[in-house]
Amino acid sequence: EPEVTQTPSHQVTQMGQEVILRCVPISNHLYFYWYRQILGQKVEFLVSFYNNEISEKSEIFDDQFSVERPDGSNFTLKIRSTKLEDSAMYFCASSIGQGIEKLFFGSGTQLSVL
Amino acid sequence: DAKTTQPNSMESNEEEPVHLPCNHSTISGTDYIHWYRQLPSQGPEYVIHGLTSNVNNRMASLAIAEDRKSSTLILHRATLRDAAVYYCILKSAQGAQKLVFGQGTRLTINP
Repeated sequence: EPEVTQTPSHQVTQMGQEVILRCVPISNHLYFYWYRQILGQKVEFLVSFYNNEISEKSEIFDDQFSVERPDGSNFTLKIRSTKLEDSAMYFCASSIGQGIEKLFFGSGTQLSVL
Repeated sequence: DAKTTQPNSMESNEEEPVHLPCNHSTISGTDYIHWYRQLPSQGPEYVIHGLTSNVNNRMASLAIAEDRKSSTLILHRATLRDAAVYYCILKSAQGAQKLVFGQGTRLTINP
């Protein structure tokens, strides 16, 4: 079965540094998402992306965050100046369409900000 | 998105059926009931979804109450691999595409 691929699986960075988390969604999918999960807490929506633009974002997704689909296969999440509280597992997801279409999630990138 | 209520945790034995309940008394007519699960150290994984009728797939069955105010995810024969957090999520056929996760039910399977 096709899957969403995320790299790296773990990333350690210093506070204030920029990080880019990478995702390869399923090839024929059109909708892309980033979620995060702080240890012991629930999965939180960050942003959804369709047709090369953000379709929805949460309050968490402030000016420090940006997303990009730089080519036909990758979908990236950039955090410009990381904070300690950005430490979390970040999940990328994709779906083929809208409405009731199911989301396929990657295995996540564990980001640790020191 | 309308709210769902699930027990925080449940426990069952291997090879026995498991019934995971979900209450959604404020469900609207266009809301589908979705179930996802999250295995340890994994991303969420789709399990099943339905609107009004009961649904079956290779992973599970979904039983939906006649008034749609509650539903039950049924794992017919639990294995150790089914130990996960199970999320019941309402999602409209229209509008926002995101899934809104609650706390879910942590299912423990005893050997």
